[in-house]
Parts: sequence; C-alpha cells; structure tokens
Amino acid sequence: GENVEQHPSTLSVQEGDSAVIKCTYSDSASNYFPWYKQELGKGPQLIIDIRSNVGEKKDQRIAVTLNKTAKHFSLHITETQPEDSAVYFCAASKGSNTGKLIFGQGTTLQVKP
Amino acid sequence: SQTIHQWPATLVQPVGSPLSLECTVEGTSNPNLYWYRQAAGRGLQLLFYSVGIGQISSEVPQNLSASRPQDRQFILSSKKLLLSDSGFYLCAWARQGGNQPQHFGDGTRLSIL
Repeated sequence: GENVEQHPSTLSVQEGDSAVIKCTYSDSASNYFPWYKQELGKGPQLIIDIRSNVGEKKDQRIAVTLNKTAKHFSLHITETQPEDSAVYFCAASKGSNTGKLIFGQGTTLQVKP
Repeated sequence: SQTIHQWPATLVQPVGSPLSLECTVEGTSNPNLYWYRQAAGRGLQLLFYSVGIGQISSEVPQNLSASRPQDRQFILSSKKLLLSDSGFYLCAWARQGGNQPQHFGDGTRLSIL
C-alpha cells in the first residue's frame, strides 16, 4: 500500500544551525504535501505545505522542496532556535476526495542552546 | 475563523468500561472529519473518517466505533475498553474536496487501568 518514509527519526542541532528532514512517498497520485509540528501534549500544527505544481515554497525560516520525479520532499529550517524543538511530521495526500493523508513516522528535533 | 475542540483532555478508565470522546468544529460547514490514535513516540494511525453526517469509514479493525450525529460533531466510542486502547486520540477536520490541510485538536490522553 501507499506509505511515506521520513528520515531521520531524531535530529539534534546547535542553535543557529540548519535542520533538514526528508520524506519519500510511494503514491504517484499524491499532489499535496503538508508538514506539521507537534509539541508535547498538543495536537500537530500545520507549519507549511506544498502542492505538486510548485517545486519550492518558503515562509520566513522554513522552506519545503518537492521533487515529484523522485517522489521526495524535504523540510528546511534555517537559523534554528530552541523553540523549534518538537516532533515534525510530513504527509502526502492519498489522491482521493476523502482528504486522507499518509503521515511519516515523525522526526524529533532537538535544538541545543 | 475555524476552531476544533476535543474533550476531555485526559481520561483514566478501567478495562471493560465504555468510552465516549467528543470532537466539535466551529466556523466551517460540511467538513471532512478524522479520528487518529497516536501511541507514545509514534506516528499517527487513522482510525475513522467521515465525509458527511452519518457517513463513517473505518480504516482498521478494532474495538472502537465512530459516529457523526451532526455536521460538525464527531464521536469516538467503545462499549468495552481494552488495555490496548490506551493512547493519545486526535480529531482533525479538513475542507471538502481533497488536497486540503487537516487541522487538529489538542487530543485526549486515554489511560486504561
């Protein structure tokens, strides 16, 4: 079946460094790719998303890139801050009107001050 | 603006007892609704989704059921809880049509004793 693989599972960076999280999806019909940030005890919050007609999207320190041919998409966080520490999930649409998303397994990002 | 509410935030229940978790959405109409379970340190497992009142689709066989008695109300239930039902339960909504972000509530932490 369809799945999304996310790497790495944990990532530790120094404050001010960049962080990159990568995802690979299998469903060629996927054309919508959101990223979520989940803080402890909270629900995931949408931080950025990209659609298949765009190769890159940026919002301040966060950017997402998409390579549809290779079925890869990545999250880039620049100038990381301690408050960026959280679990990050990528997801891919399931190509139907149900709006279902297939989620990666998550990356725990720790930003050390 | 749209908001999503889940309650209770935490719940401790004995094995064999019934369960009812409620989720309501405000500020939108005819949303797609979703129930997820998240085990500790793990990803999101889709349990049920609904594209309209009274329409429920189950993703995995389990001890739980879902209902949608009103357009913006989604309920997760069980007649007899199992130890394995422990986890973090998240409700989410999305606009109709697919390829839309899902927006999550803050979840219910369920512990079965």
